[in-house]
Amino acid sequence: KNEVEQSPQNLTAQEGEFITINCSYSVGISALHWLQQHPGGGIVSLFMLSSGKKKHGRLIATINIQEKHSSLHITASHPRDSAVYICAVYSYYGGATNKLIFGTGTLLAVQP
Amino acid sequence: DAGVIQSPRHEVTEMGQEVTLRCKPISGHDYLFWYRQTMMRGLELLIYFNNNVPIDDSGMPEDRFSAKMPNASFSTLKIQPSEPRDSAVYFCASRGQGIVNYGYTFGSGTRLTVV
Repeated sequence: KNEVEQSPQNLTAQEGEFITINCSYSVGISALHWLQQHPGGGIVSLFMLSSGKKKHGRLIATINIQEKHSSLHITASHPRDSAVYICAVYSYYGGATNKLIFGTGTLLAVQP
Repeated sequence: DAGVIQSPRHEVTEMGQEVTLRCKPISGHDYLFWYRQTMMRGLELLIYFNNNVPIDDSGMPEDRFSAKMPNASFSTLKIQPSEPRDSAVYFCASRGQGIVNYGYTFGSGTRLTVV
């Protein structure tokens, strides 16, 4: 079982829909990243969270440390949001909190 | 700041040749990471440096891979000799001190194809 699980693995939505991507992890963490990668493109860090909620434009990220769960929400989705969204955590892994553990990603396609 | 700069963006080479990938981190960032991304295995950490010193190279696949960081503004990842199974996208990333205050910045990646 992966230490970081994302769901769904694939998601197709219509433009304008509200989208939620979930991330669950099984290790103790100090912070969590949400990353975005467009097809054939680079990786962009959208959020880094250690508690609560962050908002940037149409994107909202929340984290519940007790439940070991984070969600990424996209409001009023647009075709340009089509990308792979990756959850990654900084784990207290033998003291090496600099390592990120990655989820397998969620492929989002927003259709016009 | 121009961000993390990687070169080349694309590299096609023949099996057995030496390949060198380059990375310039963001000025002032103390940590530099090399990742490899494949369809089968996703993102894998190969090695990371702190203040130019290699801290953890346990992800380096084998002796054919080596990485150096001669100064705070430059790092290389070398594969010698290259093999077709090394074909992947290689990302460099950097960040500053303090996990909570400094997020990761990734470079645009180098797409390596070994034929």
